[in-house]
This record gives sequence, structure tokens and C-alpha cells, in this order.
Amino acid sequence: NAGVIQTPRHKVTGKGQEATLWCEPISGHSAVFWYRQTIVQGLEFLTYFRNQAPIDDSGMPKERFSAQMPNQSHSTLKIQSTQPQDSAVYLCASSLVGGNTGQLYFGEGSKLTVL
Amino acid sequence: AQKVTQTQTSISVVEKTTVTMDCVYETRDSSYFLFWYKQTASGEIVFLIRQDSYKKENATVGHYSLNFQKPKSSIGLIITATQIEDSAVYFCAMRDNSAGNKLTFGIGTRVLVRP
Repeated sequence: NAGVIQTPRHKVTGKGQEATLWCEPISGHSAVFWYRQTIVQGLEFLTYFRNQAPIDDSGMPKERFSAQMPNQSHSTLKIQSTQPQDSAVYLCASSLVGGNTGQLYFGEGSKLTVL
Repeated sequence: AQKVTQTQTSISVVEKTTVTMDCVYETRDSSYFLFWYKQTASGEIVFLIRQDSYKKENATVGHYSLNFQKPKSSIGLIITATQIEDSAVYFCAMRDNSAGNKLTFGIGTRVLVRP
């Protein structure tokens, strides 16, 4: 069985450019999460979809960051006008909903470097 | 708001011995779930073990076990008979009802198992 797939694995952008990260959750999982990992902050929650609907975006920076889930097999995280402080590993995770206690299955992450 | 604290930054142990990691959490909910995840050198994050707050028995999976002390809001991870491949960063995480399905993670504890 394929796990959570994230692309690209590595992305380098210049300051001010846009970055789009993609995530394909595990088939049958109806919850999709985005986390950001840095040395200083650790694993930070960004946003969460359930059955493609946005449920909680309390961790998303209010400006420049947006996430979508246009279909059940695909979610994107877009960062406009990237800044050096956006450099991090962006992790996508999926889980079952209902009957599941919240166990997350993580992708390998997309490492974003903003120069 | 929920909070998860891991105070041990790093631990070094000799192979085949036991390592114990601490984690304390804060929640206002009476029902919650506690998790431990492992992040390997490749960056992969995998689920290890879970403790449901309403269960008195400590969870055990393979050579992983938990020391759940509810009055102290503490959930320690114990790894017995450690192997070199247990070297990784270990994250404690919590999900409570107020958080929906999202997990709040601790900062992580780096474990080095040496020969």
C-alpha cells in the first residue's frame, strides 16, 4: 500500500517567489493535515481538512499561506511571496475519521529553502 | 489550549539497555489520546504506540511500553532491549476533544543508541 505522497521532496525558491507543495493522502483516509517542522519550533500544526472541507486552519499564517483540497486524493499548500523564515520541512499527514483515535500517517515531507 | 512538553533534549544509551523518555501534557478535557512517534534520520515519522486516557493499563507494543501517570499528566515512553536502529527523535503527541482530530506535538527527544 502506498503511503502519503508528497511532492516535491526539495524546493528552493528565491525570496518573493511562490511555492506550491502537493500531497496525496492514503486512499480511504478522509482527514488530511499539514504540519511545518523547524529546528526551533518543532512540529507545528498548520491546517486540517476532513472530507475535503477545511476544518481548522488555526495554525496557518494569516498572510501568504493558503491550502486547498480540490478532491479526495489531492491537497496543496501554497506560499506566496516566500520569505527566508518560511524555510522548513512541510509535512502532510492523513488519517481515518470516525473510529480512529487520531493516529496520523505522515509523508516524507517537502523541504522548502527560501534564499 | 493543549500543550505537550518534553524536557529531555537528548539521551545516549548503550545497545541492549533500556531508555526512558519523559513527556507531560496539559489538557482541560477528561478524554484524550496520547501518542509517541519516531522520526528516523531519513525524516520519516512513524507511529509507535498510543494510550487512551480512560484506560488504566499501560500500553505495550513490542519493545515499546508506556508509563501513564494520569494524576501527574505524564506519559513516559520506555524502550527495552534497545537496538542501534532505535536511534531517532521521539515525539510525544496528544489529541483531545477540543482539538478535533489534530495532534499537538512535543519538541522531541533525540535518542542515540551506541554499540
